[in-house]
Amino acid sequence: QVHLEQSGAAVNKPGASVKVSCKSSGYVFSGYYMHWVRQAPGQGLEWLGWINPSSGATNYPQKFQGRVTMTRDTSISTVYMELNSLRPDDTAIYYCARDLKRYCAGSGCYAYMALGYWGQGTLVTVSS
Amino acid sequence: QSALTQPPSVSGSPGQTITISCAGTRSDIGSYDRVSWYQQPPGTAPKLVIYEVTNRPSGVPDRFSGSKSGNTASLTISGLQAEDEAVYFCASYVRNSSLLIAAGTQVTVL
Repeated sequence: QVHLEQSGAAVNKPGASVKVSCKSSGYVFSGYYMHWVRQAPGQGLEWLGWINPSSGATNYPQKFQGRVTMTRDTSISTVYMELNSLRPDDTAIYYCARDLKRYCAGSGCYAYMALGYWGQGTLVTVSS
Repeated sequence: QSALTQPPSVSGSPGQTITISCAGTRSDIGSYDRVSWYQQPPGTAPKLVIYEVTNRPSGVPDRFSGSKSGNTASLTISGLQAEDEAVYFCASYVRNSSLLIAAGTQVTVL
């Protein structure tokens, strides 16, 4: 069965960077897009972008462009999300979430944008 | 980009039917049939309950149903149960392969 295992909680100072990992098992890693979503304490969900584990292509919303980087290591079926220039309002639980299905049309495969499997979440605290 | 708008809270008694609305625009819900709904009980990760407006993933009870009319999507829970108490989020595909997520609706079972 599909399982996403995230790295443990992290505490970082303002201005620093954090890198969260998400290890996949139970399916073909390169076949499904992976997304990152965060949730500040008591708040809603915020989408941070996706990565195509096959090609390494990424897509980030404008708000996070230049501050977030998503990468993958296919040899260990793991994706990473790095956020730099941390601020206190980046304090949140960060989730990785896999697309429910593959979405292929024509000559390519694209993000399906329905997040069917979620990791357990990683609490990132930004505090001096 | 514009936000999706949900009511902050909806409540109902066990067995009742409730509907949560998600208002968007022609740029998101109105243009794409890629609306999804997520259920998040306290202290847990979100769970997908509806995708592509009306489809239920395997294992989601058929008490959950989705629909769309114009720029507004809706999630209906029929035969409300205590275990349905959670925050529900709607999300929509938007241009440039991005995802827009609403602020969420707290469902309370009275």
